[in-house]
Amino acid sequence: RKEVEQDPGPFNVPEGATVAFNCTYSNSASQSFFWYRQDCRKEPKLLMSVYSSGNEDGRFTAQLNRASQYISLLIRDSKLSDSATYLCVVNANTGNQFYFGTGTSLTVIP
Amino acid sequence: NAGVTQTPKFQVLKTGQSMTLQCAQDMNHNSMYWYRQDPGMGLRLIYYSASEGTTDKGEVPNGYNVSRLNKREFSLRLESAAPSQTSVYFCASSENRDYEQYFGPGTRLTVT
Repeated sequence: RKEVEQDPGPFNVPEGATVAFNCTYSNSASQSFFWYRQDCRKEPKLLMSVYSSGNEDGRFTAQLNRASQYISLLIRDSKLSDSATYLCVVNANTGNQFYFGTGTSLTVIP
Repeated sequence: NAGVTQTPKFQVLKTGQSMTLQCAQDMNHNSMYWYRQDPGMGLRLIYYSASEGTTDKGEVPNGYNVSRLNKREFSLRLESAAPSQTSVYFCASSENRDYEQYFGPGTRLTVT
């Protein structure tokens, strides 16, 4: 079983739509969770950390569900510039291992 | 403040050749990482350095060696390149384990 699993999509949504991605992780001892954004042929960039209480940054909301071992990312009022691949990242809390999901592709359509 | 820099950006090698990928960060981070990214596989950790003077294997270390030259620099060496090592290589750094990572722009390596 993979450490981190994501639905690869693609998600094609119209501008202004709300879209949500989920990511499941296998290690119940994981302590740190992140969402990264990766544009085509570029490096991943941190979008937001995910805290136990959930957190919001403008149009983006991240949630953590420890009981079901998943994290989610909600994007409201989608913009064309949100088109990218979104990577879920989990730290296994053993050593320095960060596990990356394969990413979910989002295209926002005019 | 350049963040994380990597050289070269592109490289083509023949099977059996060797090369070193360079990475440097100016954020005074303790931890540094090398990943490879292949289609459909996500990023996979090759080696990491939790702090200056230490290195450890990640998920896919075979065929690679690393050197943490000082706190700023972490290099990745391919001693005898193989076509299976064709990939995009990213270096990253973080303040400490459990903290978010910052990535360099990547090196696109093709081994023929």
